[in-house]
Amino acid sequence: DAGVIQSPRHEVTEMGQEVTLRCKPISGHNSLFWYRQTMMRGLELLIYFNNNVPIDDSGMPEDRFSAKMPNASFSTLKIQPSEPRDSAVYFCASSLGVTGELFFGEGSRLTVL
Amino acid sequence: GESVGLHLPTLSVQEGDNSIINCAYSNSASDYFIWYKQESGKGPQFIIDIRSNMDKRQGQRVTVLLNKTVKHLSLQIAATQPGDSAVYFCAETNAGKSTFGDGTTLTVKP
Repeated sequence: DAGVIQSPRHEVTEMGQEVTLRCKPISGHNSLFWYRQTMMRGLELLIYFNNNVPIDDSGMPEDRFSAKMPNASFSTLKIQPSEPRDSAVYFCASSLGVTGELFFGEGSRLTVL
Repeated sequence: GESVGLHLPTLSVQEGDNSIINCAYSNSASDYFIWYKQESGKGPQFIIDIRSNMDKRQGQRVTVLLNKTVKHLSLQIAATQPGDSAVYFCAETNAGKSTFGDGTTLTVKP
C-alpha cells in the first residue's frame, strides 16, 4: 500500500522565491498534519486538517506560510516569500481520526539560500 | 555567533542489552501517547501507543510505561539490535494535536 507521498523530496531555492510543498495522504485517512523539523526546534506542528477543514493553524510561523487542502487526497504548504530561516525538513502526516497514529511521509528538505 | 541546536539525550547500549528511553510530558490533559522511531533521512514511524487510562502496554520487544503522577513516559526495548539505532520521540496528544518531545538518540554497538 502507498504511504503518505510528499514532493519534492529536496528543494533548493533563493530567498524571496515562492515554495510549494505537496502531500498526498493515505487513502481513507481523514486527518492531515504538516510538521517542520529543525535542529533548533525539533518537530513542530504547523497546521492540521480534519475532513479537509483546517482545525488548528496556531503553529504556522507567520503570514508567509499558508496551507490548503482542496480535497481528501491532496494538500499544499506554501511559503511566499521564502527566507533562509525557513530551511528545514517539512513532514506531512495523515491519520484515521484526530487521535490516531500518525503516518509520516519521507519529508521535503527545503534549503533557502 | 554560533547557533545552538537542541541537545538531544543519547543512549548507547550493547547489542542484546535492554534499552530504556525516558520522556517527560507537559500536559496533564493529554489522553493519548505514542512512541515514534526516526531513522536518518526518513519520517517518524509508529512503534507503540498507550492511552491515559492505562499504565503499561506491551508490544513485540517493546513496552511502554506511563506514570501520570509525575507525567513520565518510558519505552523499554528488549534485546536491542543494531537496527534499533535511531532517534526516538514520544508524542502526547490532546484535542487532536500531537506534540513531540525533543527525541533521544539510541546507538547500538555490535
